[in-house]
Amino acid sequence: QKEVEQDPGPLSVPEGAIVSLNCTYSNSAFQYFMWYRQYSRKGPELLMYTYSSGNKEDGRFTAQVDKSSKYISLFIRDSQPSDSATYLCAMSARSSGSARQLTFGSGTQLTVLP
Amino acid sequence: DSGVTQTPKHLITATGQRVTLRCSPRSGDLSVYWYQQSLDQGLQFLIQYYNGEERAKGNILERFSAQQFPDLHSELNLSSLELGDSALYFCASSGRVDGTEAFFGQGTRLTVV
Repeated sequence: QKEVEQDPGPLSVPEGAIVSLNCTYSNSAFQYFMWYRQYSRKGPELLMYTYSSGNKEDGRFTAQVDKSSKYISLFIRDSQPSDSATYLCAMSARSSGSARQLTFGSGTQLTVLP
Repeated sequence: DSGVTQTPKHLITATGQRVTLRCSPRSGDLSVYWYQQSLDQGLQFLIQYYNGEERAKGNILERFSAQQFPDLHSELNLSSLELGDSALYFCASSGRVDGTEAFFGQGTRLTVV
């Protein structure tokens, strides 16, 4: 079983829809949660970063973490065709020292139709 | 533009050869990470350097090695290349002590023929 599970999609929605992207994880040591957006074969772009449980909002994006359920979500409001990309969740665990590696989900491919 | 620069963008080489990928982190970032992304494996962590020292190792093959230089740029060396090494190789850098909030470069697409 992978440490981080993410539905690969593809997910197709009409422009203006609310999109919900999700990841589940098994490692209870994960404390830091990130969402990246990756356009086709480009470098992942950091969208959101949250620490521990709770919500964080940035413009049309809201990241939600539920540590009790080991479940994180990214909501995109008023989705636009330019949001069409692969969305990757990433997590890291608290560890001694400064070294932390990110464990990525496999990515969800999103298409927003005009 | 993330501020992380990777060269070259594309690389085509033959099996058995050796290549070097280069990464310049964002100004001031001390942490550099290397990741491999293939179609069937997703993004896999290879190795992390922090201020010149190796700090964490992931699923990096013995044929692969990396280093971070005093000016903080990093190189990933891949040797005895096999067809299965064909992938996108990403470098990421972070200014945080804990290495999170990493910013990725545009990657080097390696094709082994």
